[in-house]
Amino acid sequence: DSGVTQTPKHLITATGQRVTLRCSPRSGDLSVYWYQQSLDQGLQFLIQYYNGEERAKGNILERFSAQQFPDLHSELNLSSLELGDSALYFCASSPGGGTYTDTQYFGPGTRLTVL
Amino acid sequence: EDQVTQSPEALRLQEGESSSLNCSYTVSGLRGLFWYRQDPGKGPEFLFTLYSAGEEKEKERLKATLTKKESFLHITAPKPEDSATYLCAVPYGGSQGNLIFGKGTKLSVKP
Repeated sequence: DSGVTQTPKHLITATGQRVTLRCSPRSGDLSVYWYQQSLDQGLQFLIQYYNGEERAKGNILERFSAQQFPDLHSELNLSSLELGDSALYFCASSPGGGTYTDTQYFGPGTRLTVL
Repeated sequence: EDQVTQSPEALRLQEGESSSLNCSYTVSGLRGLFWYRQDPGKGPEFLFTLYSAGEEKEKERLKATLTKKESFLHITAPKPEDSATYLCAVPYGGSQGNLIFGKGTKLSVKP
Protein backbone atom coordinates (compact mmCIF):
# COMPACT_ATOMS: atom_id res chain seq x y z
CA ASP A 1 0.00 0.00 0.00
CA SER A 2 1.60 3.26 -1.20
CA GLY A 3 -0.54 5.52 0.99
CA VAL A 4 -2.09 7.22 -2.04
CA THR A 5 -5.85 6.73 -2.27
CA GLN A 6 -8.09 7.11 -5.29
CA THR A 7 -11.85 7.01 -5.67
CA PRO A 8 -13.83 5.55 -7.25
CA LYS A 9 -12.14 2.30 -8.26
CA HIS A 10 -14.39 1.82 -11.24
CA LEU A 11 -16.51 4.22 -13.22
CA ILE A 12 -18.82 3.39 -16.11
CA THR A 13 -20.45 6.21 -17.99
CA ALA A 14 -21.73 7.22 -21.40
CA THR A 15 -20.24 9.35 -24.15
CA GLY A 16 -20.74 13.06 -23.66
CA GLN A 17 -20.89 12.81 -19.89
CA ARG A 18 -18.65 14.40 -17.25
CA VAL A 19 -16.91 12.62 -14.37
CA THR A 20 -14.66 13.55 -11.45
CA LEU A 21 -11.84 11.40 -10.16
CA ARG A 22 -10.46 12.00 -6.71
CA CYS A 23 -7.00 11.49 -5.24
CA SER A 24 -5.60 11.86 -1.72
CA PRO A 25 -1.78 11.98 -1.59
CA ARG A 26 0.43 10.33 1.00
CA SER A 27 0.57 12.18 4.28
CA GLY A 28 3.03 15.06 3.96
CA ASP A 29 3.40 14.90 0.18
CA LEU A 30 2.90 18.25 -1.54
CA SER A 31 2.93 17.22 -5.21
CA VAL A 32 0.20 15.33 -7.03
CA TYR A 33 0.53 13.96 -10.55
CA TRP A 34 -2.12 12.53 -12.86
CA TYR A 35 -1.35 9.85 -15.45
CA GLN A 36 -3.47 8.03 -18.02
CA GLN A 37 -2.74 4.42 -18.97
CA SER A 38 -4.31 2.90 -22.05
CA LEU A 39 -3.40 -0.39 -23.72
CA ASP A 40 -1.78 1.19 -26.77
CA GLN A 41 -0.18 4.30 -25.23
CA GLY A 42 1.20 3.09 -21.93
CA LEU A 43 1.48 5.50 -19.00
CA GLN A 44 1.16 9.12 -20.12
CA PHE A 45 1.69 12.13 -17.88
CA LEU A 46 -1.25 14.54 -17.78
CA ILE A 47 -0.65 17.23 -15.17
CA GLN A 48 1.14 18.03 -11.91
CA TYR A 49 0.14 20.20 -8.97
CA TYR A 50 2.39 21.34 -6.18
CA ASN A 51 0.90 22.78 -3.02
CA GLY A 52 -2.21 23.96 -4.84
CA GLU A 53 -0.52 25.40 -7.92
CA GLU A 54 -0.21 23.88 -11.37
CA ARG A 55 3.47 22.95 -11.86
CA ALA A 56 3.69 21.04 -15.13
CA LYS A 57 1.42 20.02 -17.95
CA GLY A 58 1.68 17.05 -20.29
CA ASN A 59 -0.59 15.80 -23.04
CA ILE A 60 -3.77 16.76 -21.26
CA LEU A 61 -6.80 17.38 -23.45
CA GLU A 62 -8.71 20.65 -23.16
CA ARG A 63 -11.76 18.62 -22.10
CA PHE A 64 -9.80 17.56 -19.01
CA SER A 65 -9.00 19.76 -16.04
CA ALA A 66 -7.63 19.29 -12.56
CA GLN A 67 -7.16 21.14 -9.31
CA GLN A 68 -5.51 20.64 -5.96
CA PHE A 69 -7.33 21.81 -2.86
CA PRO A 70 -5.94 23.38 0.36
CA ASP A 71 -6.01 19.98 2.09
CA LEU A 72 -3.82 18.77 -0.84
CA HIS A 73 -6.29 16.31 -2.27
CA SER A 74 -6.76 16.58 -6.02
CA GLU A 75 -9.55 16.08 -8.50
CA LEU A 76 -9.35 15.32 -12.20
CA ASN A 77 -12.40 16.38 -14.18
CA LEU A 78 -13.11 14.75 -17.52
CA SER A 79 -15.89 16.19 -19.67
CA SER A 80 -17.53 15.51 -23.03
CA LEU A 81 -16.29 11.96 -22.68
CA GLU A 82 -15.43 9.92 -25.75
CA LEU A 83 -14.94 6.19 -26.19
CA GLY A 84 -11.20 6.76 -26.46
CA ASP A 85 -11.07 8.20 -22.95
CA SER A 86 -11.61 4.72 -21.53
CA ALA A 87 -8.44 3.97 -19.60
CA LEU A 88 -6.88 3.59 -16.19
CA TYR A 89 -6.23 6.91 -14.50
CA PHE A 90 -3.52 7.01 -11.86
CA CYS A 91 -2.64 9.60 -9.33
CA ALA A 92 0.85 9.75 -7.84
CA SER A 93 2.32 11.89 -5.10
CA SER A 94 5.80 12.95 -4.06
CA PRO A 95 7.20 14.74 -1.03
CA GLY A 96 8.66 17.80 -2.69
CA GLY A 97 8.05 20.16 -5.54
CA GLY A 98 8.42 17.52 -8.16
CA THR A 99 12.06 17.91 -8.97
CA TYR A 100 13.79 15.09 -10.73
CA THR A 101 14.99 13.63 -7.46
CA ASP A 102 11.50 13.07 -6.12
CA THR A 103 10.16 9.54 -6.03
CA GLN A 104 6.55 9.29 -7.13
CA TYR A 105 4.25 6.86 -5.34
CA PHE A 106 1.22 5.70 -7.25
CA GLY A 107 -2.33 5.07 -6.14
CA PRO A 108 -4.41 2.04 -7.11
CA GLY A 109 -6.06 3.85 -10.02
CA THR A 110 -9.55 4.49 -11.32
CA ARG A 111 -10.74 2.40 -14.25
CA LEU A 112 -12.94 4.51 -16.50
CA THR A 113 -15.15 2.85 -19.07
CA VAL A 114 -17.02 5.05 -21.55
CA LEU A 115 -19.86 3.31 -23.37
CA GLU B 1 12.71 14.02 -28.35
CA ASP B 2 13.10 12.26 -25.01
CA GLN B 3 12.29 8.56 -25.28
CA VAL B 4 12.35 5.42 -23.20
CA THR B 5 12.42 2.00 -24.86
CA GLN B 6 12.11 -1.29 -23.03
CA SER B 7 12.96 -4.75 -24.29
CA PRO B 8 11.84 -7.40 -24.60
CA GLU B 9 8.11 -6.61 -24.61
CA ALA B 10 7.42 -9.97 -22.98
CA LEU B 11 9.60 -12.55 -21.30
CA ARG B 12 8.71 -16.04 -20.17
CA LEU B 13 10.99 -17.74 -17.69
CA GLN B 14 10.99 -20.96 -15.76
CA GLU B 15 11.23 -20.63 -12.02
CA GLY B 16 14.91 -20.26 -11.14
CA GLU B 17 15.95 -19.14 -14.65
CA SER B 18 17.79 -15.83 -14.30
CA SER B 19 17.54 -13.10 -16.94
CA SER B 20 17.73 -9.35 -17.57
CA LEU B 21 15.36 -6.66 -18.75
CA ASN B 22 16.62 -3.67 -20.69
CA CYS B 23 15.66 0.00 -20.60
CA SER B 24 17.33 2.36 -23.04
CA TYR B 25 16.75 6.09 -23.00
CA THR B 26 17.49 9.17 -25.01
CA VAL B 27 17.22 12.23 -22.80
CA SER B 28 19.27 15.38 -22.71
CA GLY B 29 21.12 15.04 -19.44
CA LEU B 30 19.92 12.11 -17.37
CA ARG B 31 18.63 13.22 -13.98
CA GLY B 32 17.64 9.81 -12.68
CA LEU B 33 16.00 6.59 -13.77
CA PHE B 34 13.15 4.86 -11.97
CA TRP B 35 12.04 1.23 -12.01
CA TYR B 36 8.49 0.23 -11.09
CA ARG B 37 6.63 -3.04 -10.93
CA GLN B 38 2.97 -3.16 -11.99
CA ASP B 39 0.53 -6.00 -11.40
CA PRO B 40 -2.54 -6.24 -13.69
CA GLY B 41 -5.12 -3.57 -12.91
CA LYS B 42 -3.02 -2.05 -10.11
CA GLY B 43 -0.87 1.01 -9.67
CA PRO B 44 2.88 0.95 -10.33
CA GLU B 45 4.90 0.01 -7.26
CA PHE B 46 8.22 1.80 -6.80
CA LEU B 47 11.32 -0.41 -6.88
CA PHE B 48 14.49 1.62 -7.46
CA THR B 49 15.93 5.00 -8.36
CA LEU B 50 19.35 5.25 -10.03
CA TYR B 51 21.05 8.59 -10.48
CA SER B 52 24.45 8.06 -12.02
CA ALA B 53 26.24 5.68 -14.39
CA GLY B 54 27.78 2.77 -12.53
CA GLU B 55 25.23 2.85 -9.73
CA GLU B 56 23.63 -0.44 -8.67
CA LYS B 57 20.76 -1.20 -6.31
CA GLU B 58 19.40 -4.50 -5.06
CA LYS B 59 16.17 -5.72 -3.52
CA GLU B 60 15.62 -9.43 -2.92
CA ARG B 61 16.00 -11.13 -6.33
CA LEU B 62 16.20 -7.87 -8.27
CA LYS B 63 19.25 -5.80 -9.11
CA ALA B 64 19.16 -2.61 -11.15
CA THR B 65 22.19 -1.15 -12.90
CA LEU B 66 22.72 2.03 -14.88
CA THR B 67 25.05 3.01 -17.71
CA LYS B 68 25.17 6.24 -19.68
CA LYS B 69 22.63 4.99 -22.21
CA GLU B 70 20.66 2.18 -20.59
CA SER B 71 19.61 0.40 -17.46
CA PHE B 72 19.23 -3.28 -16.74
CA LEU B 73 16.98 -5.01 -14.27
CA HIS B 74 18.55 -8.36 -13.44
CA ILE B 75 16.29 -11.02 -11.98
CA THR B 76 18.10 -13.83 -10.20
CA ALA B 77 16.36 -17.18 -9.64
CA PRO B 78 12.89 -15.72 -10.19
CA LYS B 79 9.76 -17.10 -8.55
CA PRO B 80 6.18 -17.11 -9.89
CA GLU B 81 5.35 -14.15 -7.64
CA ASP B 82 7.84 -12.05 -9.62
CA SER B 83 5.45 -12.21 -12.57
CA ALA B 84 4.41 -8.64 -13.40
CA THR B 85 5.06 -5.83 -15.85
CA TYR B 86 8.26 -3.94 -15.10
CA LEU B 87 8.32 -0.29 -16.10
CA CYS B 88 11.20 2.11 -16.31
CA ALA B 89 10.86 5.88 -16.41
CA VAL B 90 13.01 8.98 -16.63
CA PRO B 91 12.19 12.55 -15.63
CA TYR B 92 11.21 14.81 -18.46
CA GLY B 93 13.78 17.39 -19.43
CA GLY B 94 13.95 20.47 -17.28
CA SER B 95 13.35 20.95 -13.61
CA GLN B 96 9.97 19.25 -13.48
CA GLY B 97 9.72 15.72 -12.20
CA ASN B 98 6.99 14.34 -14.40
CA LEU B 99 8.05 11.00 -15.79
CA ILE B 100 8.32 9.53 -19.26
CA PHE B 101 7.56 5.81 -19.07
CA GLY B 102 8.60 2.96 -21.29
CA LYS B 103 5.88 0.55 -22.38
CA GLY B 104 7.17 -2.11 -20.02
CA THR B 105 8.34 -5.70 -20.08
CA LYS B 106 5.72 -8.26 -19.14
CA LEU B 107 7.45 -11.00 -17.18
CA SER B 108 5.87 -14.42 -16.66
CA VAL B 109 7.58 -16.94 -14.40
CA LYS B 110 6.29 -20.49 -14.62
CA PRO B 111 6.72 -22.97 -11.74
